[in-house]
Amino acid sequence: DADVTQTPRNRITKTGKRIMLECSQTKGHDRMYWYRQDPGLGLRLIYYSFDVKDINKGEISDGYSVSRQAQAKFSLSLESAIPNQTALYFCATSDRTYSDSQETQYFGPGTRLLVL
Amino acid sequence: AQKITQTQPGMFVQEKEAVTLDCTYDTSDPSYGLFWYKQPSSGEMIFLIYQGSYDQQNATEGRYSLNFQKARKSANLVISASQLGDSAMYFCAMREEGGSEKLVFGKGTKLTVNP
Repeated sequence: DADVTQTPRNRITKTGKRIMLECSQTKGHDRMYWYRQDPGLGLRLIYYSFDVKDINKGEISDGYSVSRQAQAKFSLSLESAIPNQTALYFCATSDRTYSDSQETQYFGPGTRLLVL
Repeated sequence: AQKITQTQPGMFVQEKEAVTLDCTYDTSDPSYGLFWYKQPSSGEMIFLIYQGSYDQQNATEGRYSLNFQKARKSANLVISASQLGDSAMYFCAMREEGGSEKLVFGKGTKLTVNP
């Protein structure tokens, strides 16, 4: 089984609709992230979470919300989807700790979202 | 000013040869992390390697190594014994530890491995 799973893998929705992207991980990591990628560009951080009670905004959080239901689950919601939220969305985990200089990241397969 | 610069939009290498993908960075934060990612045409994002700014040794992961030259602010990725499956877009990224978890990405290098 994959370490990080995302559902759905593809989604087409209409402007104004609320949608949820779900992410689950089996790595047991505390740190989870949501990114979006626009064509030809790198990733931009939407939200991140260090544990169930610690959720933080990233650089482009407007129009998005998240929920960390459990250590293993981190969901991203688009409250009222708009066309410029059309992008590839990735969930990721990290094994990084404050005292450890090493880091390995694990990415989900991505969700392709099209907002019409 | 760009914080991450990848000067090679495209690179070609023969199968089984080594290739170096360039990355330079700009930061005044004394503590930072440098990352390399691979993105095949299928779209998935694959973490390859991480180098912390205080790490004395170059990071290595299998056929990947990061040539970290701190004084030159350079973090080149070296792929040894290239394989056809290495053909992909490669992104260099930096995280400044004095701030949030934000990653700053370069524009990427498209690597093509020829048989």
